[in-house]
Amino acid sequence: KQEVTQIPAALSVPEGENLVLNCSFTDSAIYNLQWFRQDPGKGLTSLLLIQSSQREQTSGRLNASLDKSSGRSTLYIAASQPGDSATYLCAVYILTGGGNKLTFGTGTQLKVEL
Amino acid sequence: NAGVTQTPKFQVLKTGQSMTLQCAQDMNHNSMYWYRQDPGMGLRLIYYSASEGTTDKGEVPNGYNVSRLNKREFSLRLESAAPSQTSVYFCANRDRTDTQYFGPGTRLTVL
Repeated sequence: KQEVTQIPAALSVPEGENLVLNCSFTDSAIYNLQWFRQDPGKGLTSLLLIQSSQREQTSGRLNASLDKSSGRSTLYIAASQPGDSATYLCAVYILTGGGNKLTFGTGTQLKVEL
Repeated sequence: NAGVTQTPKFQVLKTGQSMTLQCAQDMNHNSMYWYRQDPGMGLRLIYYSASEGTTDKGEVPNGYNVSRLNKREFSLRLESAAPSQTSVYFCANRDRTDTQYFGPGTRLTVL
């Protein structure tokens, strides 16, 4: 069974700092990996999706990398801002007989302080 | 465009009561999903639908039923609510790039 782990569970950084969030998964036979952001009391917003054949994806100040062989992904946030405060979740797609399914990590709660 | 909408936003039920959570999309995507989110457990898939008229069980389907009568709507029904079903429920869809889009959630409390 695929398991997805995110460490640390919570992180507090000063504004302007560059930071890395980690995601690891137990089964390397993934179809792709997706990073989400969740604000308190809200739904999830997709940030980046990395196909299994790709090594990284970038969007603005965000860069996500994928190393399937080691079962790891990182989300790099450059020049963090208070508006980046949220919970970040990673999820891996696996192919099943009935279609693609996402398995989620429990998230890293990020606080960017002034 | 509203994207993915869910009703109601909040609901309190007594044990044994039934209710249906509604989800609708205006994104014209085939695949739709229902998840529940619990503290420390992450999001877990309850049911999904690859296309209109088809549904399949996810990781935690017990105590739930779903209905996908058309492409736009995917409903989740609790026939006899239990306190263990207290959770936040999210509906989502998926586009051709496999990106998933989520609704704002329904916060359900079962007393």
